Amino acid sequence: DAGVIQSPRHEVTEMGQEVTLRCKPISGHNSLFWYRQTMMRGLELLIYFNNNVPIDDSGMPEDRFSAKMPNASFSTLKIQPSEPRDSAVYFCASSFFRGNTEAFFGQGTRLTVV
Amino acid sequence: AQKVTQAQTEISVVEKEDVTLDCVYETRDTTYYLFWYKQPPSGELVFLIRRNSFDEQNEISGRYSWNFQKSTSSFNFTITASQVVDSAVYFCALSERETSGSRLTFGEGTQLTVNP
Repeated sequence: DAGVIQSPRHEVTEMGQEVTLRCKPISGHNSLFWYRQTMMRGLELLIYFNNNVPIDDSGMPEDRFSAKMPNASFSTLKIQPSEPRDSAVYFCASSFFRGNTEAFFGQGTRLTVV
Repeated sequence: AQKVTQAQTEISVVEKEDVTLDCVYETRDTTYYLFWYKQPPSGELVFLIRRNSFDEQNEISGRYSWNFQKSTSSFNFTITASQVVDSAVYFCALSERETSGSRLTFGEGTQLTVNP
């Protein structure tokens, strides 16, 4: 398996623009997670899905952020409009449903909003 | 609510030294899972180990070993005979409840630098 695949690897955009991050989880995994990593806040969970259904989005910072998982092999995280404080590395991870399994992370998307 | 604390922000050692990275956790659940991840300079997060709360056996994998002590809520990570390639940020993480999948609460991370 190729692992969790995220695209793009790097994104530079202007403030106010829409940004869409993409993730393809490992085949067979039924839980998908979006994390954000910043110097100030470290690694924090934004939202996670089980069997394509959003379970907890309490980590999503505000309404400008939205995430979808239309099928088992694809998820998006959208920021609209983007702001400079959204600059961070965004990780997607996938795992099997049960808590006693490890999550595998993608390479991350480094987002810079200028 | 769960919490993971890695008190050591940065550690610097010379190659071949042993180094221990500390991790202390807080949780109200009786069933939980502990993890260590490595983040090398290239930026990806690499899974190292998972430990269940009901299994306090220590584990050794090559130069890596983990000491899990429920009495002190600690899950420490030791690298024996460190190498330059061990230089990375290491994260300890906690997952609660079997039904939540690998929903992780991460510690702040410890930056390990191994000098030649």
